[in-house]
Amino acid sequence: EPEVTQTPSHQVTQMGQEVILRCVPISNHLYFYWYRQILGQKVEFLVSFYNNEISEKSEIFDDQFSVERPDGSNFTLKIRSTKLEDSAMYFCASEAAGQSYEQYFGPGTRLTVT
Amino acid sequence: AQTVTQSQPEMSVQEAETVTLSCTYDTSESDYYLFWYKQPPSRQMILVIRQEAYKQQNATENRFSVNFQKAAKSFSLKISDSQLGDAAMYFCAYRSGDGGATNKLIFGTGTLLAVQP
Repeated sequence: EPEVTQTPSHQVTQMGQEVILRCVPISNHLYFYWYRQILGQKVEFLVSFYNNEISEKSEIFDDQFSVERPDGSNFTLKIRSTKLEDSAMYFCASEAAGQSYEQYFGPGTRLTVT
Repeated sequence: AQTVTQSQPEMSVQEAETVTLSCTYDTSESDYYLFWYKQPPSRQMILVIRQEAYKQQNATENRFSVNFQKAAKSFSLKISDSQLGDAAMYFCAYRSGDGGATNKLIFGTGTLLAVQP
């Protein structure tokens, strides 16, 4: 069964460093999302991406964040200068066009900023 | 703005018994979708079940079923014949339908379900 994959599973970085989180969505899906979950809290929307552009972003998704779909398979989230409060689980999700409205999540990347 | 509320931070059920997790939401939209996601200790988010607001019939997926009360804006999840593998955090989520301003999922705060052997 097709699934969303994410790499790395765990990333440790120092404050101020840039990180790139990678996702490979399900191949025929057209809508892509990033969510994050700070430990013990609920899942929060960051950004949605469709047709090679951002379709929506939350207030969390400031200038330090960017997304890119550099080729036909990968979908990346870049944090330019990480802060301690960026420590969280980051989930990528993808959704097919059509009427299912179901978002399928990857296993997540745990980002730890020290 | 839409909100999702899960008022039960933790629940416990005996193996083979039935448990119901509560979820309420607030919206002014008439077209929307509701979901339950399961998050086991691995923290993977797994879609459990989906309900379309325009459907009166409650969704069912094997041992999982929902009680969707549109007028009351209530969307509870019933797990029958609970198994040890059902132990997880369960999140209720809302998504606008066609014509809505957003495709994002709005999550509740979750209910941690323990299954006792």
